[in-house]
Amino acid sequence: DAGVTQSPTHLIKTRGQQVTLRCSPKSGHDTVSWYQQALGQGPQFIFQYYEEEERQRGNFPDRFSGHQFPNYSSELNVNALLLGDSALYLCASSRWGANYGYTFGSGTRLTVV
Amino acid sequence: AQSVAQPEDQVNVAEGNPLTVKCTYSVSGNPYLFWYVQYPNRGLQFLLKYITGDNLVKGSYGFEAEFNKSQTSFHLKKPSALVSDSALYFCAVRDGGAGSYQLTFGKGTKLSVIP
Repeated sequence: DAGVTQSPTHLIKTRGQQVTLRCSPKSGHDTVSWYQQALGQGPQFIFQYYEEEERQRGNFPDRFSGHQFPNYSSELNVNALLLGDSALYLCASSRWGANYGYTFGSGTRLTVV
Repeated sequence: AQSVAQPEDQVNVAEGNPLTVKCTYSVSGNPYLFWYVQYPNRGLQFLLKYITGDNLVKGSYGFEAEFNKSQTSFHLKKPSALVSDSALYFCAVRDGGAGSYQLTFGKGTKLSVIP
C-alpha cells in the first residue's frame, strides 16, 4: 500500500520563476492538503483540496495556487518566486469526513536563489 | 484561531531515562491533537492522536500522551528513551467543531537522547 508520494524531491529555482510540485495521495484517500515548512519552523497550512475544489486556505498570497485531478492527485504552483519561498513543501492526504487521519509525504525541498 | 506552543526548543535526556516533550494548545471548539516526528530531510511521521475518549493515548514506538483539558496540554511521554528517538517532534491541533480541517503546528522540539 503506497503512502503519499511527492515529486520532485529537491529542486532549485531562480527568483521570479514559477514552480510546480506534485503529490499522489495514499491509496483510499481523496483529500490533499499542502503545508510549507520553513527552516527551523513547524509546517504552515497552505490549502486543502477535495473533489477538485479548494476547500480551505491558509494565510498565503495568491501566488500560491493548486489543483486536484480526478484521480485525487494534486499540484501546488508558486508564481513569481521569492527567496522567502525556500522551504520544505509537504503534502498530506486524508479521507474527507474522517479527516483526522493525515498521512504526510516526505516533501519537496525548494531552494530559490 | 487555534495555536500550539512547544515551550522547549530542545530536550536532552539520557538513554533509558523517561522523556517528556511539552505541548499546550488553544482552540475554540473540541481539540483534535496530534504528535508527529520528523527525522532529518524527511516528512512527518504520525505518532499518536487524541480525538475523544480516554485521556491517556498510546501510540507508536512506545510513546504516549496525556490530554489535560483544564491545563490545555498534551505532553508526549516515553518511559525509557532510546538513542533512536532523537529527532524533531511536532505537536499539532485541529478544531474538531469548526468545520476547519487545517492542522496548526508548534515550532517543534528537538529531542536528543544521550548514550
